[in-house]
This record gives sequence, structure tokens and C-alpha cells, in this order.
Amino acid sequence: GNSVTQMEGPVTLSEEAFLTINCTYTATGYPSLFWYVQYPGEGLQLLLKATKADDKGSNKGFEATYRKETTSFHLEKGSVQVSDSAVYFCALGSSGGSYIPTFGRGTSLIVHP
Amino acid sequence: NAGVTQTPKFQVLKTGQSMTLQCAQDMNHEYMSWYRQDPGMGLRLIHYSVGAGITDQGEVPNGYNVSRSTTEDFPLRLLSAAPSQTSVYFCASSDRSSTNEKLFFGSGTQLSVL
Repeated sequence: GNSVTQMEGPVTLSEEAFLTINCTYTATGYPSLFWYVQYPGEGLQLLLKATKADDKGSNKGFEATYRKETTSFHLEKGSVQVSDSAVYFCALGSSGGSYIPTFGRGTSLIVHP
Repeated sequence: NAGVTQTPKFQVLKTGQSMTLQCAQDMNHEYMSWYRQDPGMGLRLIHYSVGAGITDQGEVPNGYNVSRSTTEDFPLRLLSAAPSQTSVYFCASSDRSSTNEKLFFGSGTQLSVL
């Protein structure tokens, strides 16, 4: 079945540091890939997505590229801010008509001034 | 546009009590779902619905009931609360008819069972 593996956190960085959060997946077919972000005390919200191989999703300075050959969708940002402190979830879109996405366990990011 | 609205935001129950977590969406989405979020476990799917009158079990359905009488509402019922159900609960919806598959989440209900 489909599965998503994310690096364990927390990831602790200083402001303006470079961020990478690793995400790999196993899937049947070629589902869409997503990154969701959860700020403290809130629900998840979509950060970016990619719908096919080699697509790059981007938003708010974050980027991720759909790599079919390495089954990865790593999240990157060149210069993090304190306001980026949140939990980040990698997710696999549904496949085979199930309409049920698959989420990773989430990675907590803490950015210090 | 309200999106997905969950009530209450916080709830404390005693073991054995029952309650209903409410979820409503105003986007005419066919797909609705309930997740629980626990430390180290990420999000786990409890129940989901692909349209009014249709529900199905997710990964962790035991102890929870759902119904979907309208497109807008998808309540989650705990018939006899247990301490193991202490968690943060999220409702989510999406438009199955599009290829977007973007999920819209409510702001969550923090439930404590004593």
C-alpha cells in the first residue's frame, strides 16, 4: 500500500539557516504529492503541491520537487524565519480511486532568533 | 467564507460519558473525514465519507461513530469515552470532483478524557 516516511524531528535552526525536511514515499501509480503546515494551535493548511514527476511546487519561499526516480519530495527553504516554526506534513494523494490521502508523521521545525 | 468549522474547541469528559464533535463545511465538498492527532503518531484517519448517506471506516474507527445526513455536516460521536481517546481531533473536507485533492482542515477539538 501507499506510505510516506518523513525525517523525525524536531529540527532546530537559527534564523536565516537553510532548511531541508526529507520525505520519501511508496505508492502504486503516480499520485500527487503535498506538503501541509500546521502552526501552533491551528489545523493543517496546504503549503505546496506537485501533481507529476519533475514538477516543482513552491509557496512562501518553500520548494519541493517530485522526484520519481528517488521517490522523494523533500521540502527546502533557503532562509528560514522564526515565523516558520510549525509542524510540516508530507502527504501522498489518493490513488486507485480510494480518495484517501496518506500522511507522514510530521516534522516539527523550531527556528530560533 | 467559513470553510470547515469544528465545535467545540476544547472538551473534558469523564470515562463513560458520551459526546458529539461537530463538523460543518460550506464549500459543498463531497469528501469529509475525521482524524486524530497524537504525539509521535501523526494523523490517523478515523472515519470518512464520500457523500451524503455514505460513510466508511479509516485506520482507527473503534469507539467512534459517524453519520452523513447532509453534504454540509459530518458529526463524530463518542458513545462511551475512554482515556485512550484523549487527543486532538481534526475534521477535513475536499472536492472529489476536481483533480486538486486539496484538503481543508478545521481548527481542531482538543479532547481530554479523565
